[in-house]
Amino acid sequence: AQSVTQPDIHITVSEGASLELRCNYSYGATPYLFWYVQSPGQGLQLLLKYFSGDTLVQGIKGFEAEFKRSQSSFNLRKPSVHWSDAAEYFCAVAGNAGNMLTFGGGTRLMVKP
Amino acid sequence: DSGVTQTPKHLITATGQRVTLRCSPRSGDLSVYWYQQSLDQGLQFLIQYYNGEERAKGNILERFSAQQFPDLHSELNLSSLELGDSALYFCASSVGPLAGELFFGEGSRLTVL
Repeated sequence: AQSVTQPDIHITVSEGASLELRCNYSYGATPYLFWYVQSPGQGLQLLLKYFSGDTLVQGIKGFEAEFKRSQSSFNLRKPSVHWSDAAEYFCAVAGNAGNMLTFGGGTRLMVKP
Repeated sequence: DSGVTQTPKHLITATGQRVTLRCSPRSGDLSVYWYQQSLDQGLQFLIQYYNGEERAKGNILERFSAQQFPDLHSELNLSSLELGDSALYFCASSVGPLAGELFFGEGSRLTVL
């Protein structure tokens, strides 16, 4: 069975500081990996995805993530956080059957002015 | 705007009652997914339909059922409601049968009193 762990429930960073959100997955083969963002009162929006190839993937809003097979990780990064980035971030994995997207518990990001 | 429409946005009902949540996928998307989001369980996959047929089933209770109609809209029926069914119910859609990029609606918030 596939699973996703996001170790940090809450993270607070100052505006302009760098950000890294952690994600660890469990899956027997190469997974499909995703990061989604949920702003208050909104649905989830896809930030980026990894299927294969280059392990560093670029997404929208200046986010990037790196797939590290040896660490079973897919951490999300942003070099300079903006106040509008305050939201909840979800890492997700889909196995090669691809039908079911399994989400982590989410990390709530707060941005200090 | 993801293009996925969910109604109603908010619903308050009593225990033992039955409700129906409706979802219209993005134009051209054949897959519809239902997710439940609650504070204690996080985002849980309930069920997926692809082009009118059930494709995958997750943690969906027997009291819950869903269907996808020929026009591709979907309905999630929740019956014999319990307090613990209070949650945000998301619908998502994708082009094909595999859970690649999902487009989420804004959700239907169900409160059971």
